Amino acid sequence: DSGVTQTPKHLITATGQRVTLRCSPRSGDLSVYWYQQSLDQGLQFLIQYYNGEERAKGNILERFSAQQFPDLHSELNLSSLELGDSALYFCASSVDTLGGRARETQYFGPGTRLLVL
Amino acid sequence: SQELEQSPQSLIVQEGKNLTINCTSSKTLYGLYWYKQKYGEGLIFLMMLQKGGEEKSHEKITAKLDEKKQQSSLHITASQPSHAGIYLCGAYRRDSNYQLIWGAGTKLIIKP
Repeated sequence: DSGVTQTPKHLITATGQRVTLRCSPRSGDLSVYWYQQSLDQGLQFLIQYYNGEERAKGNILERFSAQQFPDLHSELNLSSLELGDSALYFCASSVDTLGGRARETQYFGPGTRLLVL
Repeated sequence: SQELEQSPQSLIVQEGKNLTINCTSSKTLYGLYWYKQKYGEGLIFLMMLQKGGEEKSHEKITAKLDEKKQQSSLHITASQPSHAGIYLCGAYRRDSNYQLIWGAGTKLIIKP
């Protein structure tokens, strides 16, 4: 158990809908990362938050957004869902002692499997 | 294409045999991480290597980072069914904006 929790485990929804994925980082970790993993694309970095602020963006679509709350939990919002958004979504966290600029070990949650029908 | 090249893509090994998985970068790495993933589950952190020539072991898994810090190998001795899964390497590079870049993964199947 990495200490990172994600809810829900599974989500089935229809095209055009909006969903919210939730992540609680390990106790004491300030950085949260969101990743998408699909069979054809592998593991893709979406976005990083550090202590409530956006720190880095990866291959995140405009239809997707995220935020990190004062208690450090994070939510990833996916809207106008398309079939191609079906994937595993992972959250990871790290201690990050350098304001989001540290190269440190990331610990992953169990993921949310999203199926868009 | 992945920024880290992992080989092989998949591997079927008889239980008890040894195996090696490689992870290669065209540029110097600043921290190389090995993770293991069971199908459909989260990534489990195995080991991190930072210094050129560094070698770490955990149970029957040994990982090495070459002197130039551009290639890492993961070696499993006397493989067991519990070793089955997908092994991913991730690494920081100077040009990766403090983000991990990833290999495509190696799928390991252990035959009883």
